[in-house]
Amino acid sequence: NAGVTQTPKFQVLKTGQSMTLQCAQDMNHEYMSWYRQDPGMGLRLIHYSVGAGITDQGEVPNGYNVSRSTTEDFPLRLLSAAPSQTSVYFCASSPGPNNEQFFGPGTRLTVL
Amino acid sequence: AQSVTQPDIHITVSEGASLELRCNYSYGATPYLFWYVQSPGQGLQLLLKYFSGDTLVQGIKGFEAEFKRSQSSFNLRKPSVHWSDAAEYFCAVLRDNYGQNFVFGPGTRLSVLP
Repeated sequence: NAGVTQTPKFQVLKTGQSMTLQCAQDMNHEYMSWYRQDPGMGLRLIHYSVGAGITDQGEVPNGYNVSRSTTEDFPLRLLSAAPSQTSVYFCASSPGPNNEQFFGPGTRLTVL
Repeated sequence: AQSVTQPDIHITVSEGASLELRCNYSYGATPYLFWYVQSPGQGLQLLLKYFSGDTLVQGIKGFEAEFKRSQSSFNLRKPSVHWSDAAEYFCAVLRDNYGQNFVFGPGTRLSVLP
């Protein structure tokens, strides 16, 4: 099993550009999440999904969109990138409620 | 609102010394608590978790943590640190019974001296 994979590993955007961060898992997990990690702030939840077709907002959802058309994939879309979205983004999955989360290796995004 | 604090931003210990990383949470109900470790450039790996029962939980890599309800704490301990333990450590609490809304602390960076 590859576990949780994320692409790209690094990305540089200009303000106003849009892009999609990809996340996939091959563990047949129902639950998937997106976090951003900023220095001194730990991880903050952006959006999460408890199954295909079901998504919900986390703590910091503004400026991001998600969809979950399949169990395996959970892409994160930045509609119009801003410098405040410079961060490291982690995708995670878990087999169900109250279980540990398995994290991907992260995507480092810089918005100029 | 639920929150998690880790009072120590950075801790340095000598190899072979004991370690305790502090974690305090604010949460009304019985919390689900976790410790994760992040090595440089990597994702997070679960060290241990507490849901209920015995308040002293054992994890991987020789780590343990003790849940103290009276102090709202879930401190992580290791009796003898190895150089490979140098990493960042995050405490987390499960925010709601829906099972997905985690709140992470800001992290404690551990350095290990040879």
